[in-house]
Amino acid sequence: DVKVTQSSRYLVKRTGEKVFLECVQDMDHENMFWYRQDPGLGLRLIYFSYDVKMKEKGDIPEGYSVSREKKERFSLILESASTNQTSMYLCASWAGNTEAFFGQGTRLTVV
Amino acid sequence: GEDVEQSLFLSVREGDSSVINCTYTDSSSTYLYWYKQEPGAGLQLLTYIFSNMDMKQDQRLTVLLNKKDKHLSLRIADTQTGDSAIYFCAEWGTNAGKSTFGDGTTLTVKP
Repeated sequence: DVKVTQSSRYLVKRTGEKVFLECVQDMDHENMFWYRQDPGLGLRLIYFSYDVKMKEKGDIPEGYSVSREKKERFSLILESASTNQTSMYLCASWAGNTEAFFGQGTRLTVV
Repeated sequence: GEDVEQSLFLSVREGDSSVINCTYTDSSSTYLYWYKQEPGAGLQLLTYIFSNMDMKQDQRLTVLLNKKDKHLSLRIADTQTGDSAIYFCAEWGTNAGKSTFGDGTTLTVKP
């Protein structure tokens, strides 16, 4: 019954590495989102996409980019990982008129 | 700007009812959601309510919406230890990316 799948639950990367976080949804939703969650800061929107090849910056896009080549897949890219990008990353998918679902989260540690 | 407020902590005894409250500011909010997050996991959609509804019941969960006061509540009947988690109130508007989350209420259920 899994609807939104994130490729990794836990990830450890080195400073300066290029990191890809993948998210796949099987509900044919147009809208997909990437958030990061940090203690005391809640959920913050990084980027979202409302259609294939379309993307919009969220509240904290600096240091990140995204790719949406296919409707079901939305990738978050850390061009050069830094320690302040250590966080829990959450992907969400929404049709725009009903439930919005989240993936299980990826806990990224940058050392 | 839009804001969603929740109390941070709630503690109840097993078998009691829990009521988690949320206030929001965006009067154009179309969908209001409750999510549950267990430690180390993603956000699990519990239930949602459309802005043209006053109440929604789903098994042990009851959502009440007071549009005039912009107040949303989640009642969990017969609370169990497995209900211990962080509960997020969220509003998703009609435009992709226009979503706001509360900071989450940590529910602790004592045996």
